[in-house]
Amino acid sequence: QQQVKQSPQSLIVQKGGISIINCAYENTAFDYFPWYQQFPGKGPALLIAIRPDVSEKKEGRFTISFNKSAKQFSLHIMDSQPGDSATYFCAARASFGNEKLTFGTGTRLTIIP
Amino acid sequence: NAGVMQNPRHLVRRRGQEARLRCSPVKGHSHVYWYRQLPEEGLKFMVYLQKENIIDESGMPKERFSAEFPKEGPSILRIQQVVRGDSAAYFCASSPSRDYGYTFGSGTRLTVV
Repeated sequence: QQQVKQSPQSLIVQKGGISIINCAYENTAFDYFPWYQQFPGKGPALLIAIRPDVSEKKEGRFTISFNKSAKQFSLHIMDSQPGDSATYFCAARASFGNEKLTFGTGTRLTIIP
Repeated sequence: NAGVMQNPRHLVRRRGQEARLRCSPVKGHSHVYWYRQLPEEGLKFMVYLQKENIIDESGMPKERFSAEFPKEGPSILRIQQVVRGDSAAYFCASSPSRDYGYTFGSGTRLTVV
């Protein structure tokens, strides 16, 4: 009930291409879906987040697409750059009850020239 | 405007010793969360605290682990009688309220030898 499933585990994309990472959840009480970016040796940093009252949110080259009926959401990175190479985690949280985030298992993204 | 400060960055302990991890949240943040990250895995929730109160410790092992967030000073995660399986990166995060995203620290990497 608390799981967030993330795929793929690793992804290699050419510079300038589109990187797509997918997540699916089970708990219908989840109503906040952030994406975190983590570089080696660093803590996760909030990249972009969405609530289920919208189907898409865009910030610069990063877009979250959200499908409430399918209980899926995805991160799209347009014009991917070598500096985007990092591990990306999706997460989900229910506003009512405790405030803990449930994380996916991460996607290691590598952007090649 | 310092972010979440965790220390030490690296900690080596022999089996059976105690590990004490410290976390100073962002100034003004009263919500603190501890997560554990094993190599190649996502972050697993351990405990959620507000000043002087443990709100949710459902992710923390019942034995050997404890956490506190006193009125003054940093939050402390204590692991007694460490074992090799405790080796991991421990991340602290803080937020100003339940409706905001987290800010993570850079983590403490615990190695048990």
